[in-house]
Amino acid sequence: GAVVSQHPSRVICKSGTSVKIECRSLDFQATTMFWYRQFPKQSLMLMATSNEGSKATYEQGVEKDKFLINHASLTLSTLTVTSAHPEDSSFYICSARDPARQGSIYEQYFGPGTRLTVT
Amino acid sequence: GEDVEQSLFLSVREGDSSVINCTYTDSSSTYLYWYKQEPGAGLQLLTYIFSNMDMKQDQRLTVLLNKKDKHLSLRIADTQTGDSAIYFCAEERQLTFGSGTQLTVLP
Repeated sequence: GAVVSQHPSRVICKSGTSVKIECRSLDFQATTMFWYRQFPKQSLMLMATSNEGSKATYEQGVEKDKFLINHASLTLSTLTVTSAHPEDSSFYICSARDPARQGSIYEQYFGPGTRLTVT
Repeated sequence: GEDVEQSLFLSVREGDSSVINCTYTDSSSTYLYWYKQEPGAGLQLLTYIFSNMDMKQDQRLTVLLNKKDKHLSLRIADTQTGDSAIYFCAEERQLTFGSGTQLTVLP
């Protein structure tokens, strides 16, 4: 099956700094990637949909200036958490859509997640 | 918006069956999914069911769908300690996830 990787798997940063999380589709080209956030013992919350070569579409309540998403190539999307605060600490998961499998139940592949801790 | 609900916790003894329940609101979903998330890991697609099916069996997993009541369930037969994880149901289009059910398997 298709593989999606995330880097780093864990990151600790100080308040006020920015941190970048990468999401890569390793063996397919992903025209669309999704970024989710998961709080401890809670469900995934879709933050934004990232389309290659265009601006990301953010869900209601998600600050686009705080969570910068760049989908510069068909295999890479990045999420940058700017001016991080402790409340941004969370598990961030990306998923990627394989257009070759559009419409099938396998159209989204999930990355392993990135644990962000802001001190 | 669309809503998917699950009970938060379930404990079973090893070897017993587990039944995880889910209710959803979007009747237009063509597929409904069950995902498994182990601690600190991403989501793994376990199984899915077409909306025009009532039941689907896949080895130890049985999915039941009641479209009238918008109720979905996942039954795990002969539950093992390796099945301990969080299980999410999800609707198709918005990929809206339930809150997740923490399954704990006791020896």
